[in-house]
Amino acid sequence: KAGVTQTPRYLIKTRGQQVTLSCSPISGHRSVSWYQQTPGQGLQFLFEYFSETQRNKGNFPGRFSGRQFSNSRSEMNVSTLELGDSALYLCASSLATGETGELFFGEGSRLTVL
Amino acid sequence: GENVEQHPSTLSVQEGDSAVIKCTYSDSASNYFPWYKQELGKRPQLIIDIRSNVGEKKDQRIAVTLNKTAKHFSLHITETQPEDSAVYFCARGGGTDKLIFGTGTRLQVFP
Repeated sequence: KAGVTQTPRYLIKTRGQQVTLSCSPISGHRSVSWYQQTPGQGLQFLFEYFSETQRNKGNFPGRFSGRQFSNSRSEMNVSTLELGDSALYLCASSLATGETGELFFGEGSRLTVL
Repeated sequence: GENVEQHPSTLSVQEGDSAVIKCTYSDSASNYFPWYKQELGKRPQLIIDIRSNVGEKKDQRIAVTLNKTAKHFSLHITETQPEDSAVYFCARGGGTDKLIFGTGTRLQVFP
């Protein structure tokens, strides 16, 4: 069974640009969560989707958005990029909703904002 | 009220010694407490979890204890080995709330 796949793995953008990251969950998993990982800040929750509906949202500005498609694939978008958005963005899928079951993480998309 | 505090941020031990990482939470609705291990350059992976109806859970050299009254839980690793070197994250979840992670503990096991 294929694991969680994230694309692109690495990307470099400049301030003011926007970026879209993609996540394909494990087959059969309906929940997809997104986390931002930075040194010293750990894993900060962005949002979670289940059956195309956003269930929870973290404390990030409105520039961060996401969506989930009918095949459970998810995308997150960051508009008007800032230097502080440089981070590893991790996607995780789970069978049920993420807060009570094992999360399976992808390898992440490393975003560098110049 | 949803944050998780994790201590210490770094921990160095000699091979064979024990390591203990502690986390505290404030949301009394929390009922699920997993621990994830992230090796350098790799993705986080679940190593053990505990639910609020259990006070302790063991899996070989690792164990997790939960004190719901005091709202803290701990990861214990015995007989540490160099391959235990990684960043460990605690987390809390429950009800319809999101899974919130602590800031991580970098464990280094010296041979």
